[in-house]
Amino acid sequence: NAGVTQTPKFRILKIGQSMTLQCTQDMNHNYMYWYRQDPGMGLKLIYYSVGAGITDKGEVPNGYNVSRSTTEDFPLRLELAAPSQTSVYFCASTTRASEAFFGQGTRLTVV
Amino acid sequence: GENVEQHPSTLSVQEGDSAVIKCTYSDSASNYFPWYKQELGKRPQLIIDIRSNVGEKKDQRIAVTLNKTAKHFSLHITETQPEDSAVYFCAASKTGANNLFFGTGTRLTVIP
Repeated sequence: NAGVTQTPKFRILKIGQSMTLQCTQDMNHNYMYWYRQDPGMGLKLIYYSVGAGITDKGEVPNGYNVSRSTTEDFPLRLELAAPSQTSVYFCASTTRASEAFFGQGTRLTVV
Repeated sequence: GENVEQHPSTLSVQEGDSAVIKCTYSDSASNYFPWYKQELGKRPQLIIDIRSNVGEKKDQRIAVTLNKTAKHFSLHITETQPEDSAVYFCAASKTGANNLFFGTGTRLTVIP
């Protein structure tokens, strides 16, 4: 099993550009999450999903959008990138009240 | 929602000494408490977890204790080694919840 796979690993965006961070899991987990981690800081929840077709906002959703058309995929869309979105982004999946599996992260720089 | 507080934010210990990281949670219904280790530039990975029906769990040099009455849980690392240097996150969740709430992290440095 591959677990949770994120792409790309690194990306540089110019201010105002858009991009989609991809996240795929092959563990048939219903719950999926997107976190951002600023340098030296903890994990802040952006969006989460409890199943295909269902998404909800986390702590810091502004400037982001998500979709969950399948159990496996949970892409994160950045519209009109801003320097404040420079961060490391982690996707994670889990079943209810159990271990969360993280992707390897996407390091995004907005210049 | 749940609020998880973690202390200290940084911790330095001499190699061979013990390290203790503490977390408190606010929702008395939380019943799952994992700990994650994040090495520099890598993803968080589960190192140990405990459920509310037990008070302590050990795995070699790592142990977690849970006090449900006081709503706090702690990570204990004994005989620390340089490879234990990392950021450690506690978290809390509950059956029926949609989310896993993380503490703010503790940067542990083990000095050789």
